[in-house]
Amino acid sequence: DADVTQTPRNRITKTGKRIMLECSQTKGHDRMYWYRQDPGLGLQLIYYSFDVKDINKGEISDGYSVSRQAQAKFSLSLESAIPNQTALYFCATSDLRGEQFFGPGTRLTVL
Amino acid sequence: AQSVTQPDIHITVSEGASLELRCNYSYGATPYLFWYVQSPGQGLQLLLKYFSGDTLVQGIKGFEAEFKRSQSSFNLRKPSVHWSDAAEYFCAVVRYSSASKIIFGSGTRLSIRP
Repeated sequence: DADVTQTPRNRITKTGKRIMLECSQTKGHDRMYWYRQDPGLGLQLIYYSFDVKDINKGEISDGYSVSRQAQAKFSLSLESAIPNQTALYFCATSDLRGEQFFGPGTRLTVL
Repeated sequence: AQSVTQPDIHITVSEGASLELRCNYSYGATPYLFWYVQSPGQGLQLLLKYFSGDTLVQGIKGFEAEFKRSQSSFNLRKPSVHWSDAAEYFCAVVRYSSASKIIFGSGTRLSIRP
């Protein structure tokens, strides 16, 4: 089984809808991250969490929120989706040295 | 500000040719260094990493990278590329002192010419 799993893998939704992307990990890491990837822009950090009680904004947190339900679970929400949030979203975990372990990604399309 | 620069957005090489992808970082001290690869439609996979010690590190799929402190560089190399190496490559850096969040370069897309 994969160390980092993301659900759903693909999602098409409409403008204004609330969307939740879920991430689970079996690495036992405290640190978890959400990234967004757009073509030609690399990875942009949305939110990160260094433990269950720690949530931090990344570079592009506007329009997003997160919840760290447990050490193994970190979910990303779009409260009211808009078309420019169409992107590939990755969850990752890391050890204390920062080496990242990525999930397979969720392709989100907002119409 | 901390930054990671991959100056080449897109590189095309012939199959069997050698490859070097460039990565430079701006930090005062030696950070932890990583190279990741992303095949089309896939997630990111770690190719190799440098924490300390020997400045030439070996990774998976025949890749290697060399850390050069004087040049603040961590270039990725492969002596002979295969068509399956076509992908996006990301250099990444974590600052040693606090193991803070990782900083990614913007990526280099590698195409292979038959």
